[in-house]
Amino acid sequence: EPEVTQTPSHQVTQMGQEVILRCVPISNHLYFYWYRQILGQKVEFLVSFYNNEISEKSEIFDDQFSVERPDGSNFTLKIRSTKLEDSAMYFCASQRGGNTGELFFGEGSRLTVL
Amino acid sequence: EDKVVQSPLSLVVHEGDTVTLNCSYEVTNFRSLLWYKQEKKAPTFLFMLTSSGIEKKSGRLSSILDKKELFSILNITATQTGDSAVYLCAVERNSGYALNFGKGTSLLVTP
Repeated sequence: EPEVTQTPSHQVTQMGQEVILRCVPISNHLYFYWYRQILGQKVEFLVSFYNNEISEKSEIFDDQFSVERPDGSNFTLKIRSTKLEDSAMYFCASQRGGNTGELFFGEGSRLTVL
Repeated sequence: EDKVVQSPLSLVVHEGDTVTLNCSYEVTNFRSLLWYKQEKKAPTFLFMLTSSGIEKKSGRLSSILDKKELFSILNITATQTGDSAVYLCAVERNSGYALNFGKGTSLLVTP
């Protein structure tokens, strides 16, 4: 069964460092998302991406964050200068059509900022 | 500001019991309500509800939406230990792509 894959599964970084989280969405999907879940808190929307551009972003997704689909298969989330409060599980998700409900989530990348 | 409130926050039941999980919401321009199961890491899709009063069923799980009273319930009958997970409710607006999640209900089914 096709699945969304994410790497790395866990990354530890020092505050101020740049981090890139990678995702390979399901191949015939057109809409891509990043969500995050801080330990013990709810899953929060960060950004949606369609047709090579951001279609929606939340207040969390400030100038420190960026997304890219560099090669038609990978979908990346970059955090330019990490802060302690960026420590969270980051989930990539993909969807065949927008607003069709079924989002397929990856297993997540746990980011720990020290 | 949109709100999604799930109750209870946690629940412990014995195998074979029936459970009802609740999700109430306040959202502008409502499109749909979704239920997800989160076992270890990735949430997995259970149901999407857009119309009031129409029950969706999948095996021992069922869900229904009340758009007048702004809530949904997720029922699990004859629970099994494999049902132990966090159950997430999320709402979607007509005007965007984001899902707004509740904090989840943590269900533990004991043998």
